[in-house]
Amino acid sequence: NAGVTQTPKFRVLKTGQSMTLLCAQDMNHEYMYWYRQDPGMGLRLIHYSVGEGTTAKGEVPDGYNVSRLKKQNFLLGLESAAPSQTSVYFCASNKQGATEAFFGQGTRLTVV
Amino acid sequence: GQQVMQIPQYQHVQEGEDFTTYCNSSTTLSNIQWYKQRPGGHPVFLIQLVKSGEVKKQKRLTFQFGEAKKNSSLHITATQTTDVGTYFCAGKPSNTGKLIFGQGTTLQVKP
Repeated sequence: NAGVTQTPKFRVLKTGQSMTLLCAQDMNHEYMYWYRQDPGMGLRLIHYSVGEGTTAKGEVPDGYNVSRLKKQNFLLGLESAAPSQTSVYFCASNKQGATEAFFGQGTRLTVV
Repeated sequence: GQQVMQIPQYQHVQEGEDFTTYCNSSTTLSNIQWYKQRPGGHPVFLIQLVKSGEVKKQKRLTFQFGEAKKNSSLHITATQTTDVGTYFCAGKPSNTGKLIFGQGTTLQVKP
């Protein structure tokens, strides 16, 4: 099993550019999450989804959009990238209910 | 909003010393989870506590969940260099689908 796969692993964007980060899981998990990790800030929840076709805002949703058209995929979009969005982004998934979350390897995004 | 606070942010210990990190939530949690992230890696699940007052052990690691299900702790006895990393607690507030992480405690162990 691949588990949780994030693409790309690294990306450099210019301010104002757009991009989409893809998260794919092959464990048939209902719940999926997008976090950003910044020094001293821990993992902050951007958006999450409790099932196909549903999404909800987390702690820091501004500047991001998400879609969950298929159960196995959770896309994170940046419409107009800003330097403040320079971060490491992690996707995670787990089964419905309170169970352990599996993380992808992370995407290191730099906005210049 | 719902918050999960974790202290301390950093801890430097000599190999063999003990280490404890504390986690506090502003709301009641349905469960608490603990994760470890090695430098340059991704968070990896360690354990989950569900019951009020629950205590679980994994070798030198002891995890506790408070009676009110709002706080938790992780204690490492006799640290080793392999314990280096950032330890996160994470909680799912009751009746939500969110999984909220604390800020993490970064542990450095001097040999």
